[in-house]
Amino acid sequence: SQQGEEDPQALSIQEGENATMNCSYKTSINNLQWYRQNSGRGLVHLILIRSNEREKHSGRLRVTLDTSKKSSSLLITASRAADTASYFCATDVRAAGNKLTFGGGTRVLVKP
Amino acid sequence: GAGVSQSPSNKVTEKGKDVELRCDPISGHTALYWYRQSLGQGLEFLIYFQGNSAPDKSGLPSDRFSAERTGGSVSTLTIQRTQQEDSAVYLCASSLGPGASSGNTIYFGEGSWLTVV
Repeated sequence: SQQGEEDPQALSIQEGENATMNCSYKTSINNLQWYRQNSGRGLVHLILIRSNEREKHSGRLRVTLDTSKKSSSLLITASRAADTASYFCATDVRAAGNKLTFGGGTRVLVKP
Repeated sequence: GAGVSQSPSNKVTEKGKDVELRCDPISGHTALYWYRQSLGQGLEFLIYFQGNSAPDKSGLPSDRFSAERTGGSVSTLTIQRTQQEDSAVYLCASSLGPGASSGNTIYFGEGSWLTVV
C-alpha cells in the first residue's frame, strides 16, 4: 500500500460544518504536507508540518501530526462550498530523498 | 508568468506515437518534479531534477519514459511508443532549493492531460 493513505476516501458535509480527514504513513518523515486539488488539475499547497511539530494553523485549516502513530489530520472549520475539492497528504520520506509521496486523496463535497 | 507553466494542456495521441510534454518552472526554482495522476487516483512520482545533480529517475515506469532539463530551467517529458495505460494527467512542479526535505513549498502546474487512443 502507499506511504500516505487518506481516510475517508470521500466526505460529504453541509456548508458550515467541519471537515476532518486523516492521513497515515509508514516510515519516518522529515515533514508532511497537505495539498488541495480542484477539478483534477493543479495542486495547491495548503500547509506543511515538520516532524518536530504537533499542530499548525492556517486560517480555517488545522493540521495535527502524531509521529508516534504515523498519522496526521486536516481539519477544515466552518466549511464553504468553495472548499469542495480533493485533499492530499504528501510525505517527505527521510530515506527517499527529496521527492514527495502522495496518498490517494480525500474527495470533499461541501453542499450549500 | 508567475507560476509553473505546462504545455500542452490537453493532448490526444494515437497508440504507438511519441509525445513530448513541456514544463516551464517558476523562475529561479532549482528543483523540478514530474508526477503522473491517473483518473481519480493519487500522484505517482516520476522524476526529480535538482540543480546540476544527477536526476532521480526512480519513478519512471519504463524505458519508454525519459525527461530532460535544459539549462536548469525548462523540462521536457518524453513518452515513446505511447500505450493506452499512459493516459493520465502529467503534473510538473518546482520549488526553490532542494525541495521536500528542506521544507520548501512545491508549486504545481495545471498539468497536461494525455489521452492515448
